[in-house]
This record gives sequence, C-alpha cells and structure tokens, in this order.
Amino acid sequence: NAGVTQTPKFQVLKTGQSMTLQCAQDMNHEYMSWYRQDPGMGLRLIHYSVGAGITDQGEVPNGYNVSRSTTEDFPLRLLSAAPSQTSVYFCASSYAGVRQPQHFGDGTRLSIL
Amino acid sequence: AQKVTQAQTEISVVEKEDVTLDCVYETRDTTYYLFWYKQPPSGELVFLIRRNSFDEQNEISGRYSWNFQKSTSSFNFTITASQVVDSAVYFCALTPEGGGNKLTFGTGTQLKVEL
Repeated sequence: NAGVTQTPKFQVLKTGQSMTLQCAQDMNHEYMSWYRQDPGMGLRLIHYSVGAGITDQGEVPNGYNVSRSTTEDFPLRLLSAAPSQTSVYFCASSYAGVRQPQHFGDGTRLSIL
Repeated sequence: AQKVTQAQTEISVVEKEDVTLDCVYETRDTTYYLFWYKQPPSGELVFLIRRNSFDEQNEISGRYSWNFQKSTSSFNFTITASQVVDSAVYFCALTPEGGGNKLTFGTGTQLKVEL
C-alpha cells in the first residue's frame, strides 16, 4: 500500500504564483486534512474534509483553498503565494471517528521567495 | 477552544537515561482523545499512541510508557533506557469526540539522545 502520498516533496515559488499541493490516499479513508508545520509552532490545521464533497476550515485557512471531488484525493491550492506561506505541509487521512489514528504523508517543503 | 502545551522545547540526555516528555492540555469537552506522534530527523510523522479520556490506565509498550492523569490534565510520555534512535521531535495532540478527527497539536519537544 502506498498510504498517503504527497507531491511534490519540495517546491520553490515566487510571491504571487499559484500552486496546488497534491494529496492522495489509497486506504479508502473518509477523513482527510491539511496541516502546516512552522518552527516553534507545531502543526496547525488548515482545512479538513469528512468525505467527498464536504470540506471545512481549520485554524489557519486564509490563503488556501481545497476541494474533495473523490475519496482518494484532497488537493490544497495556493492562489497567490505569499512568503508567510513558507512552511512544511502535511496531508493526513483516517477512517471516520476520532478513535482512528491519522496517517500522515511525508510532507511538502514549500518556500515562497 | 482547545490547547496543548509542551513546555519542554528541547531535552538532551545521555544514552540509557530515562526521560519524560510533558504534555498538558486544556479542553471543555468531557470526551476527547489524546495522541503522541514522533517526528524523526527524516521528517515523517509516526503515530505512537491514542488514549481516550475515560481510560486513565497507564500504558507500556516496550521502552515507552504513558501516564494519563485527568485530574491534572496531563498525558506524559516516558522513554526508559533511551537510545540514539529515539532522537526526534515528539508531539502531543488532542481532539474532541465528534471533532472530525481534527488534531490540536502542541509545539513539540526536541529530544536529543547522545552517546
């Protein structure tokens, strides 16, 4: 099983450029989430989805869009990249219910110049 | 609002020492779940343990043990006889029942185990 796959692993953007971070899981998980990790701040939730067609905002949603057209995929879009969005981004998925641990992808390291 | 505090930013120990990582949380929910994740230098996040708010039994898994005390809102993690391979950042996280499995993370504790 591939688990949670994130692409790309590294990306450098210029301010104002747009970008889509891809996340795919092959475990038929209902729940998917995006987090960003910044030094000294742990991981913070950006957006999440409890199923295809259903998304909602997390703690730090500004500047990011998501959609969930299939169970497998949950892309994160930056419409106009800003230096403040320089971070490591993690996608996670789990079966429905809080009893289930989340499986994380390996992360995407994004730098905005 | 929920909050997870990991006051220890960085801990350094010598191999074979025991070390305890502290986690204190705040929540108004009566039912919730606590997690520990490990992030080794390679960067991936590895699930270690999940504990629900109704189960206050301590848990031991090999050299790892967890102490959950609801009275002090703490969920501490102890590594016995630490090894160099334990060097990592450790995160404590919290989610309420019915919270869509949305995790609130602490800021993490960097553990360095030296020879």
